[in-house]
Amino acid sequence: EVPLVESGGGLVHPGGSLRLSCAASGFTFSTAWMSWVRQAPGKGLEWVGRIKSRNDGETTDYGAPVKGRFTISRDDSKNTVYLQMSSLKSEDTALYYCNTEDLRNWGRGTLVIVSS
Amino acid sequence: DIQMTQSPSSLSASVGDRVTITCRASHNINRRLNWFQQKSGRAPKLLIYAASSLQSGVSSRFSGSGSGTDFTLSISSLQPEDFATYYCQQSDTVPWTFGLGTKVDIK
Repeated sequence: EVPLVESGGGLVHPGGSLRLSCAASGFTFSTAWMSWVRQAPGKGLEWVGRIKSRNDGETTDYGAPVKGRFTISRDDSKNTVYLQMSSLKSEDTALYYCNTEDLRNWGRGTLVIVSS
Repeated sequence: DIQMTQSPSSLSASVGDRVTITCRASHNINRRLNWFQQKSGRAPKLLIYAASSLQSGVSSRFSGSGSGTDFTLSISSLQPEDFATYYCQQSDTVPWTFGLGTKVDIK
């Protein structure tokens, strides 16, 4: 059973925006720190960012390539974490995975293609 | 950011071979080093965490060692299902960073 299901990917023009969602199950979501990791086609893994739990302030951290353009948020009532992406660039084209902080739990990812 | 340097970038090996992959961090990361396996078209899978702890369900032919800046992933006797790409990742300091990967293929 895959406890994380990403959705919301698709084709978007450069400069556009997109919001990804990740629905979690099978663990206590409200206390989990959640991360996003991406993988460009044929490339390696890149950590995008994370959000801490509400008890830990719900603070966020981001990798340099996305800082100021991407925002991670969460809705504990829906067991869902979001990745709001704006000012998208072609180099943001990737398969986006959400995960728990320890990167033990991988879904199938959702593909984002930034192209004109 | 902490840079993770993996070597080799690729290797060819035969079933039954012992394989070793190394990962070097640009700063001391204590033992906060994880190893992942990724097969073509699949999501990564955590193999080893905290440098040497075997993730539940992972074969004991995988082992990890090291601390500080130098780490090793070993596969004691390569099996057909082990042909994949392997990544190291540091979880000491955000942003988490990954090595570029080591592709293990069939000789």
